[in-house]
Order: sequence, then structure tokens, then C-alpha cells
Amino acid sequence: QKEVEQDPGPLSVPEGAIVSLNCTYSNSAFQYFMWYRQYSRKGPELLMYTYSSGNKEDGRFTAQVDKSSKYISLFIRDSQPSDSATYLCAMGYSGSARQLTFGSGTQLTVLP
Amino acid sequence: GAVVSQHPSWVICKSGTSVKIECRSLDFQATTMFWYRQFPKQSLMLMATSNEGSKATYEQGVEKDKFLINHASLTLSTLTVTSAHPEDSSFYICSAGGGGVKNIQYFGAGTRLSVL
Repeated sequence: QKEVEQDPGPLSVPEGAIVSLNCTYSNSAFQYFMWYRQYSRKGPELLMYTYSSGNKEDGRFTAQVDKSSKYISLFIRDSQPSDSATYLCAMGYSGSARQLTFGSGTQLTVLP
Repeated sequence: GAVVSQHPSWVICKSGTSVKIECRSLDFQATTMFWYRQFPKQSLMLMATSNEGSKATYEQGVEKDKFLINHASLTLSTLTVTSAHPEDSSFYICSAGGGGVKNIQYFGAGTRLSVL
């Protein structure tokens, strides 16, 4: 079993839809959680990070963490064609920047 | 803030030659830098972790002599692919930690290596 599981998709939605992206994990030692967005042939871009269970909102993006269920989600409201990308969840341990464990990525296409 | 610059963005080379890729943290001191390799439609594969002034730690299966990593300063790490062969063709991405949010890795834009 992988430490982090992420549905690879692909996922296609119409413009304006609410998108839900999810990851599950097995290692309860993970303490902080991130979502990265990666456009084709580009490096990952940090979207959201959180350290605790609950919701964190930033514009159209909401990150949700449920440590008891070992489940994290990223919600995108009012999705736009420019949101079309691969979304990677990542998890790590506290302390200085150390190795992250990445999900396999979900490829999202928002259709105009 | 927390900008990581990676150069070149694309390099084409002949088989047998060496290629150097640079990764710079522009507005912070990167205590740790990471090098990843990514194949099409796949996730990131960690190759090595480097701390400034010390030898890099390579992941299992990554050839140290093939992929030379130098982290000479807190803002610069380099990856040299020695005697490149077509099977080394891939997308290489660096990341740096120690920026705006301490525990987060910030990524460069990646380098596409094509070995002919």
C-alpha cells in the first residue's frame, strides 16, 4: 500500500463547476499537508498548505484535512479553464523542510 | 516571496556529453534542496536531497556518479548529468526548503533534457 493515495483521474468538468480532489494517507505521523498545481512542462506551484485538521480557504480554493480519517481534500469553486492542470497532494513532517511524500497527481480539465 | 529559479528550461545534447542544471533560491536561503525526476504523466520521483556544504543523499537506485549534485552555497545547487544517454532524457525539477514557510518546498520551473 502506498503511503499516499490519489485518484489519477483524468477529471473533466464544465466551467463554473465545483471540483473536489482527494488524497488518503496511511502514515499518521504526517503533520503538514500541501496541495501543488502543476501545469504541463512546468514545476509544481504551491497552492495551499495546512498543519491542522479543518478547513483553510484562499479565494476559490479550500483545503480540508481530516486527520482522524487520514483524508485531505482540495475544493475549487467556480472552476475556470485556467485551472486545468495536474494537482498533487503532498505531506510531510514537522521541523525544517524535509522530504515530502507526494500523491500521484490528478489531471483536471475544465471545459469552457 | 520564496522564488526558485532553474536553468536551463530546455537542453538538447548529444549522447556522451555532460549537462549541468542550476537551481537558485532568489529571495531566501535554502538550507535544503531537492532534485526530482518526472516522466510524462507520472508524479515526482525524488532523486537526492542536498544540504549546503555537505554531500548529497541519494535515493535508492539513483547513480551517484551519473547524477552529480553540488550545493556549494545557501542559494545554489547544481545537478550534472554526466555522460548522458537517451534514457536520461526526462524532466528534472529542483526544489528548495527554508523559504517563506519553513516546512514547505518551493519548486523551480523544471528542465527538459533531451539526449540525442
